[in-house]
Amino acid sequence: NAGVTQTPKFQVLKTGQSMTLQCAQDMNHEYMSWYRQDPGMGLRLIHYSVGAGITDQGEVPNGYNVSRSTTEDFPLRLLSAAPSQTSVYFCASRNRQGGLTGELFFGEGSRLTVL
Amino acid sequence: DQQVKQNSPSLSVQEGRISILNCDYTNSMFDYFLWYKKYPAEGPTFLISISSIKDKNEDGRFTVFLNKSAKHLSLHIVPSQPGDSAVYFCAASASPETSGSRLTFGEGTQLTVNP
Repeated sequence: NAGVTQTPKFQVLKTGQSMTLQCAQDMNHEYMSWYRQDPGMGLRLIHYSVGAGITDQGEVPNGYNVSRSTTEDFPLRLLSAAPSQTSVYFCASRNRQGGLTGELFFGEGSRLTVL
Repeated sequence: DQQVKQNSPSLSVQEGRISILNCDYTNSMFDYFLWYKKYPAEGPTFLISISSIKDKNEDGRFTVFLNKSAKHLSLHIVPSQPGDSAVYFCAASASPETSGSRLTFGEGTQLTVNP
């Protein structure tokens, strides 16, 4: 009963380092997305994907890359980390139909600190 | 430009009383609204949603009201329980279908229910 799994849960980086936040879902959901949560700003959409091979930018895409080679996985890459990317990152998924409510299923989050 | 705003960062109520959380939006294209609840160190979980064709949706102790002319929605929790203590996020999208790929969140309101 895994749902949406994010790794790592915690990460500390130095400015300029690169890393990848992993996200995997086992619900065969077509839609996947990445959000960041910052104090006083709620959750903001970084990138999203409506299916394997298809990605698009959200509200705050700068400094991040994504790819969707499989339905299950949607990694988020930071190419050159900056202190402004210190945040809690959430991956979410949903099937195309969205059921009756259109709800998203979220992972538990990855807390990233950039020094 | 915050398109979904929750003007109260925090709310404190007594157990058994009503909790009312408010949300305002500016984008007239928004047609579908959701509330998520978030406990510390966990991802947000879906609570309730409402489409613009309705002005009220009820699920147990939770009721969401929508006033389209005022671009305002509210979440009522009756009776409030200590386990309801969490951050509540209001979210909006242009349709249930796009809620999977493009969801705009408010800043969140920390609800504390005192025993």
